[in-house]
Amino acid sequence: DADVTQTPRNRITKTGKRIMLECSQTKGHDRMYWYRQDPGLGLQLIYYSFDVKDINKGEISDGYSVSRQAQAKFSLSLESAIPNQTALYFCATSLTRAGVYEQFFGPGTRLTVL
Amino acid sequence: GENVEQHPSTLSVQEGDSAVIKCTYSDSASNYFPWYKQELGKGPQLIIDIRSNVGEKKDQRIAVTLNKTAKHFSLHITETQPEDSAVYFCAASKVVGYIPTFGRGTSLIVHP
Repeated sequence: DADVTQTPRNRITKTGKRIMLECSQTKGHDRMYWYRQDPGLGLQLIYYSFDVKDINKGEISDGYSVSRQAQAKFSLSLESAIPNQTALYFCATSLTRAGVYEQFFGPGTRLTVL
Repeated sequence: GENVEQHPSTLSVQEGDSAVIKCTYSDSASNYFPWYKQELGKGPQLIIDIRSNVGEKKDQRIAVTLNKTAKHFSLHITETQPEDSAVYFCAASKVVGYIPTFGRGTSLIVHP
């Protein structure tokens, strides 16, 4: 089984709808991240969480919110989806440990907002 | 904040050739530089990284070099193979409170 899972893998929705993307991990990592990938723009950080009670905005948090329900679960919500939020979304995890900085990415969720 | 520039955006090579991808960063306090490979339909995966106290690091056919003075670092792939075809991302970060800033990616195409 994959260590970092994302659901759904694909989603098509309409403008104005509320959407939730979910991420679960079995790696026992304390840090979790949500990224957005657009063609030619790389990976842009939306939100990150260093533990269950810690939530931080990334560089493009407007229009998004998150919830860290447990150490293993981190959800991303679009309260009112708009077409320019059409993108590939990745969840990632990492471990707080000196000398260890690798991020582990999920398989991604492709979101289309019509 | 940190700004990472990555070039080229697309790189096409013949199998067996070498490939070089270059990145520059803006924050002189950055001291950790990972490279991720993203295969089609998958999430990025770390392939190599380098700390600022090291000038070069090798792992089989891949190597990374770092020039702290010029604030640039590069990924070198030798003897490229078709399975090297992917999108490669560089990133820069401070080790403390690790939040990487990613480059825009390079699509590497290796022709058989």
